[in-house]
Amino acid sequence: QVQLQESGPGLVKTSETLSLTCAVSGGSVSSGNYYWNWLRESPGKGLEWIGYFHVSGATNYNVSLKSRVTISVDTSKNQLSLKVTSLTAADTAIYYCARAAAALYYFDSWGQGTLVTVSS
Amino acid sequence: EVVVTQSPATLSVSPGERATLSCRASQSIGSHLAWYLRIPGQAPRLLIYGASTRATGIPARFSGSGSGTEFTLTISSLQSEDFAVYYCQQYSNWPPGTFGQGTKLEIK
Repeated sequence: QVQLQESGPGLVKTSETLSLTCAVSGGSVSSGNYYWNWLRESPGKGLEWIGYFHVSGATNYNVSLKSRVTISVDTSKNQLSLKVTSLTAADTAIYYCARAAAALYYFDSWGQGTLVTVSS
Repeated sequence: EVVVTQSPATLSVSPGERATLSCRASQSIGSHLAWYLRIPGQAPRLLIYGASTRATGIPARFSGSGSGTEFTLTISSLQSEDFAVYYCQQYSNWPPGTFGQGTKLEIK
């Protein structure tokens, strides 16, 4: 059974860059059968999909965040990464990594999430 | 973008009773709807996909129905661990797979 675990700083400053990682065990980020995603949850917006990475090199991002987001994979460490630039208070949220089976597009496995607070 | 609306925002039900949660899509999504359980401090859990198929390990008290634009999640006999937040997600138009705003199921 695949397990995902997010990690990163709990507090970041306004205008800075957020970097999060997601360690994957029991499965491989190199599998072509899955998309590896980042999502976030905030009180004002609920759950929001941020983007995905596929081992083919394909990425796709939410248009509302596209200019500020990069998702990548380190196959040697079997982990997923997220970078979000130019942070504002609106980026305060619980950030999740999640797996979606290719051609199915619902999220069958999630990490527990990591709370990120953006403050000046 | 498909807009997904959940109702009610909060539902108060007694343990052992039935709970019915609703999810509406702004356009037809066929059966491309999933339901998730969100317990604070835990990983969100997939409950239902394809509008009515229970995910692996999900108890039979959870059932999903509907197609097109109207969907329902029914929990037949509420257990203590069921009181949490529930999200629906459409994946007919993906990406993005848009979510509803959530329904908080609380103990009456």
